[in-house]
Amino acid sequence: GAVVSQHPSRVICKSGTSVKIECRSLDFQATTMFWYRQFPKKSLMLMATSNEGSKATYEQGVEKDKFLINHASLTLSTLTVTSAHPEDSSFYICSAGDALEGTNSPLHFGNGTRLTVT
Amino acid sequence: AQSVSQHNHHVILSEAASLELGCNYSYGGTVNLFWYVQYPGQHLQLLLKYFSGDPLVKGIKGFEAEFIKSKFSFNLRKPSVQWSDTAEYFCAVTGSNTGKLIFGQGTTLQVKP
Repeated sequence: GAVVSQHPSRVICKSGTSVKIECRSLDFQATTMFWYRQFPKKSLMLMATSNEGSKATYEQGVEKDKFLINHASLTLSTLTVTSAHPEDSSFYICSAGDALEGTNSPLHFGNGTRLTVT
Repeated sequence: AQSVSQHNHHVILSEAASLELGCNYSYGGTVNLFWYVQYPGQHLQLLLKYFSGDPLVKGIKGFEAEFIKSKFSFNLRKPSVQWSDTAEYFCAVTGSNTGKLIFGQGTTLQVKP
């Protein structure tokens, strides 16, 4: 089945540094990818919609200058957490839908990235 | 505002017991509904989905869910759980013209052998 690869799976960084997380669709093309953040109480919050070749659409309350999203190709979206702070420590998950199946197709999720900011 | 509410946060069952996890949503317009499962240490996987048609949807591993439009509900059921069903379960909703998922808070299911 469709696979979404997310890298790295775990990262520890110092406060003030930036971290880049990659999300790749391995066997399908995704014009749209989604970035979620999973909080300790388990709920997943949609952060932004990544659109291939155009600017990402951010959800209300998500700082676009802090969470930079780039979707340069049909198989790759990146999330960069800039000037990371301890409160950015979380589990970040990306998802993608097969462009051929349309917007109603179920999403395929990456394994997630555990970010710890010290 | 769009939202999904899962009533049970932590459920503990013995093997062979029946399972029902509640999910209610608030969403204007036509909805697509999903249940995802996250086994320990693994990524989210789709259990089942409802787009249209028969409101009783059957998914993988013996799970099913029923869409009751009048109650804005999409409860997940399984007649007899197994220890391997121990996982986090998430209900999610999206509109018919968008791929953005709104997730519920999740339910931790613990099945005792």
